[in-house]
Amino acid sequence: GQSLEQPSEVTAVEGAIVQINCTYQTSGFYGLSWYQQHDGGAPTFLSYNALDGLEETGRFSSFLSRSDSYGYLLLQELQMKDSASYFCAVRDNYGQNFVFGPGTRLSVLP
Amino acid sequence: EAQVTQNPRYLITVTGKKLTVTCSQNMNHEYMSWYRQDPGLGLRQIYYSMNVEVTDKGDVPEGYKVSRKEKRNFPLILESPSPNQTSLYFCASSFSSGEKLFFGSGTQLSVL
Repeated sequence: GQSLEQPSEVTAVEGAIVQINCTYQTSGFYGLSWYQQHDGGAPTFLSYNALDGLEETGRFSSFLSRSDSYGYLLLQELQMKDSASYFCAVRDNYGQNFVFGPGTRLSVLP
Repeated sequence: EAQVTQNPRYLITVTGKKLTVTCSQNMNHEYMSWYRQDPGLGLRQIYYSMNVEVTDKGDVPEGYKVSRKEKRNFPLILESPSPNQTSLYFCASSFSSGEKLFFGSGTQLSVL
């Protein structure tokens, strides 16, 4: 089977840095993605890692270690608008299936 | 504008009354899929399709049907809805070799 684990909740203050971890167990592995979802909205794509290392997109960075089946999303210079749920997702079974983690609720405090 | 369009946005129905949730994308994506989202359980895949006439079960397919007769459309069919299918449903699409899923705006379904 396949499973992903993430912390259920994270709280941080404006301007801080927060890291959301994701560990996965899948049959086959194509890459690790991250999605953001605000309350009442649809998930939106943030980043993707197919190879080990760090990918940076503005204030957001994502890291992958395939040997450890582990990745994280790093959010810098937190803003109130970053309060949302964040999901990691893997594409496995030779690219035929996206599987999502349970999500991490990020609350950014003033 | 590139988008995935889902309809309806909200739907209230009764047990056993067949319904269809439509999904259409205008990006020529090969891959389309349906998810349901329940509190604390994240997004669980119901069905996916790699291309026209090619569909396969996801993690929670029981009680659902899909079809992919055209590349742009991927409707979700509940032949006999039950209250445990009350949920928030999302359609999504991507290129077959792509890493980015585009999501529709969601359908909040309540089965009474």
